[in-house]
Amino acid sequence: QQPVQSPQAVILREGEDAVINCSSSKALYSVHWYRQKHGEAPVFLMILLKGGEQKGHEKISASFNEKKQQSSLYLTASQLSYSGTYFCGTEGYNKLIFGAGTRLAVHP
Amino acid sequence: NAGVTQTPKFQVLKTGQSMTLQCAQDMNHEYMSWYRQDPGMGLRLIHYSVGAGITDQGEVPNGYNVSRSTTEDFPLRLLSAAPSQTSVYFCASSYSMAGEAFFGQGTRLTVV
Repeated sequence: QQPVQSPQAVILREGEDAVINCSSSKALYSVHWYRQKHGEAPVFLMILLKGGEQKGHEKISASFNEKKQQSSLYLTASQLSYSGTYFCGTEGYNKLIFGAGTRLAVHP
Repeated sequence: NAGVTQTPKFQVLKTGQSMTLQCAQDMNHEYMSWYRQDPGMGLRLIHYSVGAGITDQGEVPNGYNVSRSTTEDFPLRLLSAAPSQTSVYFCASSYSMAGEAFFGQGTRLTVV
């Protein structure tokens, strides 16, 4: 079953912050985050394992709450290069299942 | 290193035709998978493999076959193409399930 991402789309001005959420009805072993720019392949951002850890990539960080079966991606001081579609993926039984994606547009 | 290579990049098929999408990786990854991407649907898992000789179904396997005779190659076969299979197909590989997945550049397939 696909994880649920929210919001579906976000529009930001450069420098603004955003949060993308990912939730699952199943127990999570790990959460993966990827970004895909238009016409390109998805690119890995980070993986979060059990333990509620946070990780960072540039000014992008994420948290993982295994009890709530949720993960959030935090984009701070957004840059034009952050535009794209963000996917969370949840791992279970050797399958990596992705959500429907959140489209992020950053304008000058 | 080339990473994950998919061929062809574009393909147009007629309904009922069959074809094979090729995927090769040179990173000695055990885990390989195929996804299709449709507008608003995200990436949906078609089939995956955890090593040579081992394959299993994903979320949307109907109409597709796979095999994994070597670690490097993981071809996806469309048996009898249908317009509903019009999509962008991505192959991915990773060292393990909990590792970074590397995606190929995709194959844009149109079935008319």
